[in-house]
Amino acid sequence: EPEVTQTPSHQVTQMGQEVILRCVPISNHLYFYWYRQILGQKVEFLVSFYNNEISEKSEIFDDQFSVERPDGSNFTLKIRSTKLEDSAMYFCASKGRVDQPQHFGDGTRLSIL
Amino acid sequence: QKEVEQNSGPLSVPEGAIASLNCTYSDRVSQSFFWYRQYSGKSPELIMSIYSNGDKEDGRFTAQLNKASQYVSLLIRDSQPSDSATYLCAVKVGSSNTGKLIFGQGTTLQVKP
Repeated sequence: EPEVTQTPSHQVTQMGQEVILRCVPISNHLYFYWYRQILGQKVEFLVSFYNNEISEKSEIFDDQFSVERPDGSNFTLKIRSTKLEDSAMYFCASKGRVDQPQHFGDGTRLSIL
Repeated sequence: QKEVEQNSGPLSVPEGAIASLNCTYSDRVSQSFFWYRQYSGKSPELIMSIYSNGDKEDGRFTAQLNKASQYVSLLIRDSQPSDSATYLCAVKVGSSNTGKLIFGQGTTLQVKP
């Protein structure tokens, strides 16, 4: 069964450094998402991406965050200058049609020191 | 603020029993509802989706939706120790064309052998 792939599985970064989290959504899916989950808390929506542009973003997704689909297969989340509070699990998700469920990748655990 | 509420548990049931997990949501126009299972440290895994009032069955799982009461539930029949996990209720926000999901806190289920 096709799946969403995320790399790396764990990223450790110094505060203030840039980090890029990578995702390969399921082939032929059209809608892409990033969510995050701080340890012990709810899964929170960050951003959705469709037709090569951001379609919706949350209050968390401020100017430090950006997303890109550089080559038609990868979908990346960049955090420009990381903060301690960015430490969380980051999940990429995708779906094929607007009425279909989202399928999640295994996540990247981001640890900011 | 659109909310999804779940009892965090833990809900403890003996092996072979029926586990009943409940969720309420605040956005009256929501049309799409999902149950995800999340093992500790892992990503959300889609269990069920439900879009219409009533029951939807898939194997040992039954999702129930009551839009008038803004209530969705998940029944797990013949519970197994491998069902022990956190079950996340997710609601697609009614006004969102992009399919943003709002998650509940999750209910931790413990199935005792």
